[in-house]
Amino acid sequence: DSGVTQTPKHLITATGQRVTLRCSPRSGDLSVYWYQQSLDQGLQFLIQYYNGEERAKGNILERFSAQQFPDLHSELNLSSLELGDSALYFCASSARGLGTDTDTQYFGPGTRLTVL
Amino acid sequence: AQSVAQPEDQVNVAEGNPLTVKCTYSVSGNPYLFWYVQYPNRGLQFLLKYITGDNLVKGSYGFEAEFNKSQTSFHLKKPSALVSDSALYFCAVREAGGFKTIFGAGTRLFVKA
Repeated sequence: DSGVTQTPKHLITATGQRVTLRCSPRSGDLSVYWYQQSLDQGLQFLIQYYNGEERAKGNILERFSAQQFPDLHSELNLSSLELGDSALYFCASSARGLGTDTDTQYFGPGTRLTVL
Repeated sequence: AQSVAQPEDQVNVAEGNPLTVKCTYSVSGNPYLFWYVQYPNRGLQFLLKYITGDNLVKGSYGFEAEFNKSQTSFHLKKPSALVSDSALYFCAVREAGGFKTIFGAGTRLFVKA
């Protein structure tokens, strides 16, 4: 158990809908990362937050957004869902996540999103 | 731009034999290198990392990796494979001072009894 929790574990929805995925980092970790894992694209970095502020952006679509709250949990919002958004979405956390640190990222169990 | 390549989609090895999972990387500056393992329906688990110092890094479950700067490689090794090592292995790189960690496509390791 990495100490990172994600809810829900599974999510089935229809095209055009909006969903919210939730992540609680390990106790004391300030950074949260979101990744998308699909069969054809592999593991893609979406976005990173550090202590409530966006720190780095990867291949995140404009239909997707995220935020990190004062209690450090994070939410990833996916809107206008398409079939191609079906994937595993992972959250990871690290102690700091600044450019100069060497912290390891610890991954949650993931949320499997199925868009029908 | 940084990148990481895992040239083999799948590695097959017999139980008890040594295993190697290959990884090469490209960064502008000094690399931070990581190996993760993913079991079915689970998140990624950290195995080991290279930041600086000794080129041979030892990690969890008997795995080790060797950093080779001239060949820009960071191959994962284990002297004696177990059936339970069968999983998906990811190499990742982050440039020192950078924020993004880039993951390879993954290599599926299959250990046959």
